[in-house]
Amino acid sequence: GENVEQHPSTLSVQEGDSAVIKCTYSDSASNYFPWYKQELGKGPQLIIDIRSNVGEKKDQRIAVTLNKTAKHFSLHITETQPEDSAVYFCAASQNTDKLIFGTGTRLQVFP
Amino acid sequence: ETGVTQTPRHLVMGMTNKKSLKCEQHLGHNAMYWYKQSAKKPLELMFVYNFKEQTENNSVPSRFSPECPNSSHLFLHLHTLQPEDSALYLCASSQAQGAVNEQFFGPGTRLTVL
Repeated sequence: GENVEQHPSTLSVQEGDSAVIKCTYSDSASNYFPWYKQELGKGPQLIIDIRSNVGEKKDQRIAVTLNKTAKHFSLHITETQPEDSAVYFCAASQNTDKLIFGTGTRLQVFP
Repeated sequence: ETGVTQTPRHLVMGMTNKKSLKCEQHLGHNAMYWYKQSAKKPLELMFVYNFKEQTENNSVPSRFSPECPNSSHLFLHLHTLQPEDSALYLCASSQAQGAVNEQFFGPGTRLTVL
């Protein structure tokens, strides 16, 4: 079955710097890769997703890149702000809604 | 707010107690999910319901019993739990199972088993 690894487990950056979180997956049949943000006391919320027919997707300060050959995808946050502090989860899916999640990255943005 | 509510938000129970978690979605979705979130582990899918029918049971122990009376409500009945069952239990919903649809999560119920 699918296995998703996520690194790093914690990440601290200065406000205004960029943050990058990386995930690898094992099943080459996976074709949908969402990223979720979980703030304290809340459930995960989808922030961006990418499908396997696209190499990169951007939404304002957030971008996701996908390398199908290497089976890895990354989340890039530019110009980080304190409100970006949260736990971020990547996930992979084989064209169904059965999501396999990574272990999460705790991002702290210091003012 | 995501349109998915969960009650209670916190629950402490003994190993011999019976309790239920409730989830309600106001999004008109047809698929609902239970996940378990433990520290330093990936979210684990427990159950999936699609149009009120259970379509996925991810090898969950029988001390967890789900119920889906309609597409808007989902319950998780708990009995004779173990301390290792302490976790955040998250409910989610999506338009329908079988296709890639965004899943909307509730805030979760923090469960502590003594």
